[in-house]
Amino acid sequence: EAQVTQNPRYLITVTGKKLTVTCSQNMNHEYMSWYRQDPGLGLRQIYYSMNVEVTDKGDVPEGYKVSRKEKRNFPLILESPSPNQTSLYFCASSPPGQGNQPQHFGDGTRLSIL
Amino acid sequence: GEDVEQSLFLSVREGDSSVINCTYTDSSSTYLYWYKQEPGAGLQLLTYIFSNMDMKQDQRLTVLLNKKDKHLSLRIADTQTGDSAIYFCAEMNSGGYQKVTFGTGTKLQVIP
Repeated sequence: EAQVTQNPRYLITVTGKKLTVTCSQNMNHEYMSWYRQDPGLGLRQIYYSMNVEVTDKGDVPEGYKVSRKEKRNFPLILESPSPNQTSLYFCASSPPGQGNQPQHFGDGTRLSIL
Repeated sequence: GEDVEQSLFLSVREGDSSVINCTYTDSSSTYLYWYKQEPGAGLQLLTYIFSNMDMKQDQRLTVLLNKKDKHLSLRIADTQTGDSAIYFCAEMNSGGYQKVTFGTGTKLQVIP
């Protein structure tokens, strides 16, 4: 089954404790992206990657890092989480090409930073 | 930068039609999308329209695009309780990569 898998689905942690949210896709997609969803703000892009070893900042990259060492994986790293990073996070992937290729989304990771 | 706006909430009675509206600012949008998010789940693409089209119909869904006014709407005919969800409008610009900008989301509540 084609899917984007995020782990963990839920995490409560404390300020300053490094954490990683993993994202894996089994569709051989080149393009992957991380979003955060906040009430009244919709989805905002954090980072994206157009292919292995190619990453770039989205609209709200501060406080986050990513890596793309393999095509299928695109982890999101919070080196020193802060309460303003409490949010619902989504990973998405899509093949390259025209816009009629939809993004496939994971089920989300809800992070609470105390 | 690009901006996509939606009203936050819409309530309709079961069996009525729902119309969810969206405005965007990017005049170079190529594709416009409607995604649906059910509780506890990620977003799923409902439908999309290319920017040179005015209308697209897919079963109960009708998408209307007014490119001059940068206005997109999604009409759901015969709305059912299973249609209750958050609906996101999104647009892809014609830039060098597939940047998609999402709206704020409209929460549709269907009253039985």
